[in-house]
Amino acid sequence: DAMVIQNPRYQVTQFGKPVTLSCSQTLNHNVMYWYQQKSSQAPKLLFHYYDKDFNNEADTPDNFQSRRPNTSFCFLDIRSPGLGDAAMYLCATSRGSSYNEQFFGPGTRLTVL
Amino acid sequence: ILNVEQSPQSLHVQEGDSTNFTCSFPSSNFYALHWYRWETAKSPEALFVMTLNGDEKKKGRISATLNTKEGYSYLYIKGSQPEDSATYLCASFSGNTGKLIFGQGTTLQVKP
Repeated sequence: DAMVIQNPRYQVTQFGKPVTLSCSQTLNHNVMYWYQQKSSQAPKLLFHYYDKDFNNEADTPDNFQSRRPNTSFCFLDIRSPGLGDAAMYLCATSRGSSYNEQFFGPGTRLTVL
Repeated sequence: ILNVEQSPQSLHVQEGDSTNFTCSFPSSNFYALHWYRWETAKSPEALFVMTLNGDEKKKGRISATLNTKEGYSYLYIKGSQPEDSATYLCASFSGNTGKLIFGQGTTLQVKP
């Protein structure tokens, strides 16, 4: 089945220790997104790639970076995680514009100690 | 309305009850309204993508309506079953923001 896969499902890191979350897709969609969801809050878009074009949200902290080496893979790098970065991180894909249906992975739950 | 807001935040119903939730969104420069179902430990899955004012969509026991002029959508579940237990997220796309803005979700618990 075509799908969006996120690894790992649970990630524990220490305050200030860099961490990378990964996302892969078999849907061949050209747009990939990273969302952050803190407890009981709305998922918040961090950035997205439209093909190779990177689009950063204005309020995404500089601490967060992303890489998309090819169509299938996208990475979220958190350079120096703080306690406030503990959250669920969701990866999603869509064909074309983000007003089209988005397909989500199961998320990575990040804990910062 | 500047944000996407959902109510209630959580809901507990008995098996067989029918229920509905509300999503309010900015009506200015509206493009699309999405509903997603997110079961625990699974991926959020799209239920509906709606674009036209007055649109009604149905999938099994779940249906949704859309009012783009006043900026709201209702999601209805008829005869709730325990497998309907999930968080239901709505999200709005407008030309003003150029991105999908999510609500905080309504968490439904259906007791057998």
